[in-house]
Amino acid sequence: DAGITQSPRHKVTETGTPVTLRCHQTENHRYMYWYRQDPGHGLRLIHYSYGVKDTDKGEVSDGYSVSRSKTEDFLLTLESATSSQTSVYFCAISAGTSGLDGEQYFGPGTRLTVT
Amino acid sequence: QKEVEQNSGPLSVPEGAIASLNCTYSDRGSQSFFWYRQYSGKSPELIMSIYSNGDKEDGRFTAQLNKASQYVSLLIRDSQPSDSATYLCAVNIRGRGSTLGRLYFGRGTQLTVWP
Repeated sequence: DAGITQSPRHKVTETGTPVTLRCHQTENHRYMYWYRQDPGHGLRLIHYSYGVKDTDKGEVSDGYSVSRSKTEDFLLTLESATSSQTSVYFCAISAGTSGLDGEQYFGPGTRLTVT
Repeated sequence: QKEVEQNSGPLSVPEGAIASLNCTYSDRGSQSFFWYRQYSGKSPELIMSIYSNGDKEDGRFTAQLNKASQYVSLLIRDSQPSDSATYLCAVNIRGRGSTLGRLYFGRGTQLTVWP
């Protein structure tokens, strides 16, 4: 998985609780992304980062926040989890030379269930 | 119109046949095109990148790009049961009024290769 780990790999949480997912890379890549994947919707971008402390919204960012304090770590926080946020979450990375539209490599994913 | 559309499938072919997967996209200015393979319960894996019109071959895989028709395809020759997976098309799409783009993914086509 191109030197990308995600934690936890599985999580069950209750509605209304905050949840933080972690993505860690050992490739020293500039760009990092959080996607969610749902049946019928495919992969949708939640947030992305183009450097330490530099982040921006994707197409489905409501209810999510991110932080990147180190090159290697990108955190996704569900501020108050809802059942609609039950999904599989993938982190991805890409090298700085390729920009936002270059080759992306994905982590193993986190399966989140909100009850 | 969605930014990236794939034939919905599922597609079923016998072992040894050619599997043809198709993708159309909305941005005439797109420059980067990718095919990912995703096994059930796993993360997407990059298998092909193509940037210029024409064909690009890598082993049993051939990507074909026609920018005038806004069409990209993936051919898998001598299909094997191990090729059974969902194939995702990804295209860089620019934002409205912007020269910057990011990747958009199609919903994927499920391929089954039967022995």
